[in-house]
Amino acid sequence: LAKTTQPVSMDSYEGQEVNITCSHNNIATNDYITWYQQFPSQGPRFIIQGYKTKVTNEVASLFIPADRKSSTLSLPRVSLSDTAVYYCLVGGGGSYIPTFGRGTSLIVHP
Amino acid sequence: EAGVTQFPSHSVIEKGQTVTLRCDPISGHDNLYWYRRVMGKEIKFLLHFVKESKQDESGMPNNRFLAERTGGTYSTLKVQPAELEDSGVYFCASSQDRWGALYEQYFGPGTRLTVT
Repeated sequence: LAKTTQPVSMDSYEGQEVNITCSHNNIATNDYITWYQQFPSQGPRFIIQGYKTKVTNEVASLFIPADRKSSTLSLPRVSLSDTAVYYCLVGGGGSYIPTFGRGTSLIVHP
Repeated sequence: EAGVTQFPSHSVIEKGQTVTLRCDPISGHDNLYWYRRVMGKEIKFLLHFVKESKQDESGMPNNRFLAERTGGTYSTLKVQPAELEDSGVYFCASSQDRWGALYEQYFGPGTRLTVT
């Protein structure tokens, strides 16, 4: 299983763009990159998934360079409600077992 | 559309007792997963059902844990007998597609289990 490394914590302010980078040096050819968000006392919630280049949805963008050894989750104009833990997961289909690391605790300040 | 529900939300039991956790996945989701987070640790995979079949149970900690999914609908996770180290939050998740892991998993709110 590909191991991921991401910052333990980050601080930001309302209205700013936040970029959280995840390293996954031993990512396999059929691995996808998925990000989840978790609020206290709730289960993780899917944010975005990608394989290469850039993916954008209504809440975030995911940038994946050509070598795919890292990925960056971009949250535009964060608000206080974006304070949460963000997990980067790497894996493929079939027998993929999601592996959650420690995640990145994002705190958004007023 | 109703989300994944889990019952109970919180359970406090004594060491040696039995507890059964229940998960109701989103209707129509063939894939059902159990995870748990013990205090201060990461969320860990326990097992994966595809309909009523156990696809992967490599994460189950020991034979005190028994998961079932009769009829391929709701699932139960029984811990018997419970030990102190079983305390933690147990999450259930479901997904629609056959290769479920490539697609988003919908998580329930979790059951907080406290063994005293």
